[in-house]
Amino acid sequence: DADVTQTPRNRITKTGKRIMLECSQTKGHDRMYWYRQDPGLGLRLIYYSFDVKDINKGEISDGYSVSRQAQAKFSLSLESAIPNQTALYFCATRLGQAGSGELFFGEGSRLTVL
Amino acid sequence: ILNVEQSPQSLHVQEGDSTNFTCSFPSSNFYALHWYRWETAKSPEALFVMTLNGDEKKKGRISATLNTKEGYSYLYIKGSQPEDSATYLCAPDGSSNTGKLIFGQGTTLQVKP
Repeated sequence: DADVTQTPRNRITKTGKRIMLECSQTKGHDRMYWYRQDPGLGLRLIYYSFDVKDINKGEISDGYSVSRQAQAKFSLSLESAIPNQTALYFCATRLGQAGSGELFFGEGSRLTVL
Repeated sequence: ILNVEQSPQSLHVQEGDSTNFTCSFPSSNFYALHWYRWETAKSPEALFVMTLNGDEKKKGRISATLNTKEGYSYLYIKGSQPEDSATYLCAPDGSSNTGKLIFGQGTTLQVKP
């Protein structure tokens, strides 16, 4: 089993629908991240979290919200999906206490908004 | 927001060629520099995390150097192989306390057999 698991892996939805992407990890890491990938734009940071009480906006947080339900779970919500939120979404985790820990990525969630 | 630039944007080389690409980042408030390799249809995986000025790290045919004073890092691939085809991403970590990792747009390498 993967250490960082994202669900769903693929989702097609319609404009205006509420969508939640879930991420869970078994690595015991404190920091969790949501990124989106668009062709030609690399990975852009949406939100990140140090722990369940510490949530921070990234580069492109508008139109998104997050919830850190437990240290192991970090969910990304699109309250009212729009077509330009069609993208590949990655969750990532890392250990923050011991210097600059490397990121470990989930397998990605491909979202299509029609 | 950190301004991270990677060049070139894409690169096509023949098998056996050696190649290198650059990651530029603000030199102020530097803490660490991450390099990731991202193959098509897979997730990014860490190659190196570098913290010290002048640091050089190596993994097989891939190596990286770091200059924190001028704000750049080079990634070198010696004797490129088709399996090296991927997008290579860098991300500076501006502080141990911010936790924010902003990626450059990446360099996409295509190695032709």
